[in-house]
Amino acid sequence: EIVMTQTPLSLSVTPGQPASISCKSSQSLLYSDGKTYLYWYLQKPGQSPQLLIYEVSNRFSAVPDRFSGSGSGTDFTLKISRVEADDVGVYYCMQSTQLPLTLGGGTKVEIE
Amino acid sequence: EVQLLESGGGLVQPGGSLRLSCAASGFTFSTYTMSWVRQAPGKGLEWVSRIRGSGSDKGYADSVKGRFSISRDNSKNTLYLQMDSLRAEDTAVYYCAKGIHALVTAPDYWGRGTLVTVSS
Repeated sequence: EIVMTQTPLSLSVTPGQPASISCKSSQSLLYSDGKTYLYWYLQKPGQSPQLLIYEVSNRFSAVPDRFSGSGSGTDFTLKISRVEADDVGVYYCMQSTQLPLTLGGGTKVEIE
Repeated sequence: EVQLLESGGGLVQPGGSLRLSCAASGFTFSTYTMSWVRQAPGKGLEWVSRIRGSGSDKGYADSVKGRFSISRDNSKNTLYLQMDSLRAEDTAVYYCAKGIHALVTAPDYWGRGTLVTVSS
């Protein structure tokens, strides 16, 4: 199975400052159809996960443009340009290029 | 508005069985791949299983293969997870999740989850 490794495990950010989370996969996530099935989710405290980014860099419906995704192959990054208090929670990357779907261990983002 | 409502969780003894249900609304259920994803207390997310819209193609995590069975009833807009031979390590909140596209398993919408506790 594809192993997803996220860093850092946790992040403490001052409001208004940027934040960046890395996700590395043990194999390329490029599928034979030319798409890369890498996703980012945020699980806010006490809530279900919510989709932020699909297929590396596409923001999901109603996701603020301060969130952006980038990367290719095995290296991916989620960036928050200006962190807000509402961004706290645990961020997960997930791949669906190959079954079983696998997720990173999560990155906990807190506000300083 | 997409809505996913899980039910069927509870306390069960090791070796026991439980069937989870997920009632879906707000989208054409039969079109989309659906998944179950779980989260053990204080832990990260783990994908469990998925089923294509037609019900013909299913996939499982190795940790549940041979013990869990996913199914769906498109006439009732309902997803199921039959869990047999339950173990303590299956204790988790189980989320029902809708795939982004018909042939894409990765979820866009998630239910609120139902808690399964396996303990004697």
